[in-house]
Amino acid sequence: ETGVTQTPRHLVMGMTNKKSLKCEQHLGHNAMYWYKQSAKKPLELMFVYNFKEQTENNSVPSRFSPECPNSSHLFLHLHTLQPEDSALYLCASSPTGISYEQYFGPGTRLTVT
Amino acid sequence: GQQLNQSPQSMFIQEGEDVSMNCTSSSIFNTWLWYKQDPGEGPVLLIALYKAGELTSNGRLTAQFGITRKDSFLNISASIPSDVGIYFCAGFTSSGTYKYIFGTGTRLKVLA
Repeated sequence: ETGVTQTPRHLVMGMTNKKSLKCEQHLGHNAMYWYKQSAKKPLELMFVYNFKEQTENNSVPSRFSPECPNSSHLFLHLHTLQPEDSALYLCASSPTGISYEQYFGPGTRLTVT
Repeated sequence: GQQLNQSPQSMFIQEGEDVSMNCTSSSIFNTWLWYKQDPGEGPVLLIALYKAGELTSNGRLTAQFGITRKDSFLNISASIPSDVGIYFCAGFTSSGTYKYIFGTGTRLKVLA
């Protein structure tokens, strides 16, 4: 138990659906991150929020839309996804702003049909 | 894009054996990290290295930050079944542009 929870753990959605992934950290951290983990590929950093402000967007398609209402919660809103977006989506947080010291949640396994 | 080359991709070893894996990069990082990911979980940080040449241990794990700052290795001594999982290296630098790059992972399977 790392103190970072993600819901749902598994999600199957059609290409025309709209869904949201939720991440919550109970560690009092200030920075939160979204990563994509595809089979046989390195973790890809998607978005970074530092003190609720988005500081990084690594050329992520607009069908992925992040939201960080406060330092403890992070959402990833999904719409009109493609089958190649199927992956494990990991949330992480770090204590004092952007840092290598990141605590990961268990991930949401997303399947786009 | 930038990537870290991690080897081997996978390995089967006997319980009690020592394991070695490494990671190389085409560019320099200020910090090297090693993570382990168990099935159904997110990666967990094992070791962080901050200085070229640094050798750091965490129990049966030992990792080194290469002198050139472009590579790192991880050793696991006397492996046990619970060492099974995927081990990732990662390079981090926050000098100017923020970079956090992960390797493709080494999948370790331990045969009892």
